[in-house]
Amino acid sequence: AQKITQTQPGMFVQEKEAVTLDCTYDTSDPSYGLFWYKQPSSGEMIFLIYQGSYDQQNATEGRYSLNFQKARKSANLVISASQLGDSAMYFCAMREASGAQKLVFGQGTRLTINP
Amino acid sequence: GAGVSQSPRYKVAKRGQDVALRCDPISGHVSLFWYQQALGQGPEFLTYFQNEAQLDKSGLPSDRFFAERPEGSVSTLKIQRTQQEDSAVYLCASSLGSSGTDTQYFGPGTRLTVL
Repeated sequence: AQKITQTQPGMFVQEKEAVTLDCTYDTSDPSYGLFWYKQPSSGEMIFLIYQGSYDQQNATEGRYSLNFQKARKSANLVISASQLGDSAMYFCAMREASGAQKLVFGQGTRLTINP
Repeated sequence: GAGVSQSPRYKVAKRGQDVALRCDPISGHVSLFWYQQALGQGPEFLTYFQNEAQLDKSGLPSDRFFAERPEGSVSTLKIQRTQQEDSAVYLCASSLGSSGTDTQYFGPGTRLTVL
């Protein structure tokens, strides 16, 4: 069964520093997608970045990049030059290509950016 | 363009009452998902529609939960005889297609409180 693990319940970072949020996953499906979402206090889940299991290069979207290490089954999110507005919950999620279409989420990491 | 919208944003129900939660997906999106998010947890899958067909309802916690999408656009999640453990945020998401790489875009959620 697919599973996502986020081991950092909370992280505190100084503004303008880079931050890495950890995510490990488990699946037996060779084809899958990995997603990161941001959930501010308003509650809406905001899509940040996607990585496919067969993608050769790490995904990047502006200040977000995904450090994908397939052999280790990890998909860490890196935020460069953090901003106060980055303070939020961050969720890693996975979707297997075969079978169910659902996203399976981790427990989340609460990121706080200090001025 | 318009994103996923949900109504109401907040709902308070007395135990035993029936509630109906509405989701308007992004126009043209084939797939629609419902998730339940308990306080401090990641979202958990409830059910999935492809157009009007409900293809997966494996996450519905009991037969008190019912979802429909009769015309392949708007969806309603109905909870009968609500109980306190039903208190959660109910998130709706839609995606353009039905492949494993399609990004799911979420609405703001409906926060249900059962007294």
